[in-house]
Amino acid sequence: IAGITQAPTSQILAAGRRMTLRCTQDMRHNAMYWYRQDLGLGLRLIHYSNTAGTTGKGEVPDGYSVSRANTDDFPLTLASAVPSQTSVYFCASSDMTGELFFGEGSRLTVL
Amino acid sequence: QQQVKQSPQSLIVQKGGISIINCAYENTAFDYFPWYQQFPGKGPALLIAIRPDVSEKKEGRFTISFNKSAKQFSLHIMDSQPGDSATYFCAALAGSNYQLIWGAGTKLIIKP
Repeated sequence: IAGITQAPTSQILAAGRRMTLRCTQDMRHNAMYWYRQDLGLGLRLIHYSNTAGTTGKGEVPDGYSVSRANTDDFPLTLASAVPSQTSVYFCASSDMTGELFFGEGSRLTVL
Repeated sequence: QQQVKQSPQSLIVQKGGISIINCAYENTAFDYFPWYQQFPGKGPALLIAIRPDVSEKKEGRFTISFNKSAKQFSLHIMDSQPGDSATYFCAALAGSNYQLIWGAGTKLIIKP
């Protein structure tokens, strides 16, 4: 049972570079999310998608974009990375009960 | 009004003791209150959840106490074990909106 698969697990990136974090789920959940986790700030929602073909902005969307071409995949793109985007990124999906299922995270360092 | 305030930020408890983490909210439309547990290097995972029609829910050593009038809910871990050492997040959800509102997290350390 894979659940949520994220890639890469970690990445060091030069500022100004473009980066896509990949997320795939095998649970056929309609809703998917991207969070960033920073020490002392908890989990902050970046973007979400309630169903394939739709996306929405979360609490901290600036500098990030997402797409949802199908149910399983929800990539997060940083068009031009900046050091403040150094964080641990979690992808999640949710079932109809509202329970979130998280991936193991992608640790991104922007220098 | 969308905030969930969690305290304490960190907590150290002796093995066998009771760990208590508190959360407070303002939005009376919230109707689902989960607690998530996160171990280092892992994503959060659902631990236990409650809806406001009950005042308490117990699963093994973990109990949620819910006070609707005070708009507060808390997680109690009985007979705390070193394996319970983790970061705990409370959260709240309103109706059909699947976007959880998260507390800031509590880092719990259980000393052997």
